[in-house]
Amino acid sequence: DGGITQSPKYLFRKEGQNVTLSCEQNLNHDAMYWYRQDPGQGLRLIYYSQIVNDFQKGDIAEGYSVSREKKESFPLTVTSAQKNPTAFYLCASSDNRAYGYTFGSGTRLTVV
Amino acid sequence: EDKVVQSPLSLVVHEGDTVTLNCSYEVTNFRSLLWYKQEKKAPTFLFMLTSSGIEKKSGRLSSILDKKELFSILNITATQTGDSAVYLCAVCVGTASKLTFGTGTRLQVTL
Repeated sequence: DGGITQSPKYLFRKEGQNVTLSCEQNLNHDAMYWYRQDPGQGLRLIYYSQIVNDFQKGDIAEGYSVSREKKESFPLTVTSAQKNPTAFYLCASSDNRAYGYTFGSGTRLTVV
Repeated sequence: EDKVVQSPLSLVVHEGDTVTLNCSYEVTNFRSLLWYKQEKKAPTFLFMLTSSGIEKKSGRLSSILDKKELFSILNITATQTGDSAVYLCAVCVGTASKLTFGTGTRLQVTL
């Protein structure tokens, strides 16, 4: 079955440590996205990539980094520069046509 | 700056009631408006709307878009406890297909 796999589902880290969230898709989608969701809020765009080896900042990119070395993979690193990293992180992909937006099941990151 | 506003923020109804959720937007380079249902994890897709005045329907749920007034509604008739969730409205903008989300409406359906 085609889809997006995010791992891990739950992640705990100590303050000051970098952590990388995995996102893999086998839908052959060109575009991939990372969103962050805080309690009681909608999703906010962190980074997106429309093609391999290219990515752009979203609305809240500070303290995050990404890479897009393969079409299937778009990992997100939450760095120690991110002031409030505890949140629910969602990865998505799109075929850039009228509709083709697919979400992963999310990673809940807790920094203690 | 693109903006999507949903109302109400939360709603408690009795099973069997009909509810209307609202979504207004101000964006540049509009492509489509999408509704999602989110229970615990990832949002699940409900509807995509691109044209004004054409109602999309799926069972007890329906939605319509007004591109002149920059507004969409999501209707749920004969609500059930399984409809309890956060309903997210998102607008797809630009060639990069970025989604701008509203904060969501939290619906609770009680017996």
